[in-house]
Amino acid sequence: GNSVTQMEGPVTLSEEAFLTINCTYTATGYPSLFWYVQYPGEGLQLLLKATKADDKGSNKGFEATYRKETTSFHLEKGSVQVSDSAVYFCARPSNTGKLIFGQGTTLQVKP
Amino acid sequence: EPEVTQTPSHQVTQMGQEVILRCVPISNHLYFYWYRQILGQKVEFLVSFYNNEISEKSEIFDDQFSVERPDGSNFTLKIRSTKLEDSAMYFCASSWTGGFSRNTEAFFGQGTRLTVV
Repeated sequence: GNSVTQMEGPVTLSEEAFLTINCTYTATGYPSLFWYVQYPGEGLQLLLKATKADDKGSNKGFEATYRKETTSFHLEKGSVQVSDSAVYFCARPSNTGKLIFGQGTTLQVKP
Repeated sequence: EPEVTQTPSHQVTQMGQEVILRCVPISNHLYFYWYRQILGQKVEFLVSFYNNEISEKSEIFDDQFSVERPDGSNFTLKIRSTKLEDSAMYFCASSWTGGFSRNTEAFFGQGTRLTVV
């Protein structure tokens, strides 16, 4: 089937802590994979993407590696900041083109 | 940087009333989408639109919903008779290519928060 599963939140971290948000997907073939971020009161922004297996997407200190062996696309950041507090969505396209989102993971970073 | 704009940012309406949510996609984009997010839940696909017709719609997108691109710049979502359960954040998105192919990025608007009372 077509699905995206994220770890449940909320995730609460102290500033400068290491972040991992897990994401796994089901798919036939190897779709592109995306992480979107939604800051408080704002819309969805593309954070990073990977278009093929073993690709690593990166942006703003965040990274995610497309792992076909484990069908995963975990989001990581070495040192989070208060300004990273947001909701993070893992997503992949369906074979008809629409985006399928995970349920979202809320990250709260405390000073 | 080009962006997708949505108006209004917040709409309050009485149950049974019609609402129109407006979006201005990025000007050279060809594919348009509406998604919704009920508070605290996941982002759900509603409809995709290409070449002046619906290319796909979800089971949520029933006869109460319609979309239109009336003038080549606006892309609207109409809900004919709103229900309490239509309360959600509605996001418009656009992209240059369809199918979210390998090098496509979908650009999202800021959303319209619809509250049905």
